[in-house]
Amino acid sequence: GAVVSQHPSWVICKSGTSVKIECRSLDFQATTMFWYRQFPKQSLMLMATSNEGSKATYEQGVEKDKFLINHASLTLSTLTVTSAHPEDSSFYICSANSRDRVNNEQFFGPGTRLTVL
Amino acid sequence: GNSVTQMEGPVTLSEEAFLTINCTYTATGYPSLFWYVQYPGEGLQLLLKATKADDKGSNKGFEATYRKETTSFHLEKGSVQVSDSAVYFCALRYFGNEKLTFGTGTRLTIIP
Repeated sequence: GAVVSQHPSWVICKSGTSVKIECRSLDFQATTMFWYRQFPKQSLMLMATSNEGSKATYEQGVEKDKFLINHASLTLSTLTVTSAHPEDSSFYICSANSRDRVNNEQFFGPGTRLTVL
Repeated sequence: GNSVTQMEGPVTLSEEAFLTINCTYTATGYPSLFWYVQYPGEGLQLLLKATKADDKGSNKGFEATYRKETTSFHLEKGSVQVSDSAVYFCALRYFGNEKLTFGTGTRLTIIP
């Protein structure tokens, strides 16, 4: 149990276009979902935290108008990279907390590799 | 601020070798410490954790001991297998706070 999926697993787009990445908790309800960004040979950097039905909380330095997060249900959160540019190319990873687990363990998706040309 | 430093990889070992991946942290107070593993094509999975000083987390033959005096949480395994090939992340989190702070990850490759 506790599986998190992401779609797509990879995407290539042209500069200036917008890209949507989905994160789903497949077999549990997630109270909170997290979005991370990972550059090559660097650690996962938390971008934002989202709770179902409320606005996301962004980390310092992350542009909320650039990275739109929607957490419409207890099993789905989306990250939209608006007007993407080559510097937005990265590996994006989501995770989710299960509302049924008291220790707040995060379950991670497999990641989405975004390449902006 | 809080930070986690891991030994740089990649690490390549022969099967049945002894493994150590170093992890040290900088934090105030007493965070919980974690090791996550990411197998190829999969998401990060919790491997083990320790919530207070001198605790030892263990799972699948891996162990790590929370050393407050050296602010370390080194990952060890006595005899690695090819199936242990993956990327390993050290992380910390404070009780009551959902945010994880990760190290850079260490890629481990085990050769038959």
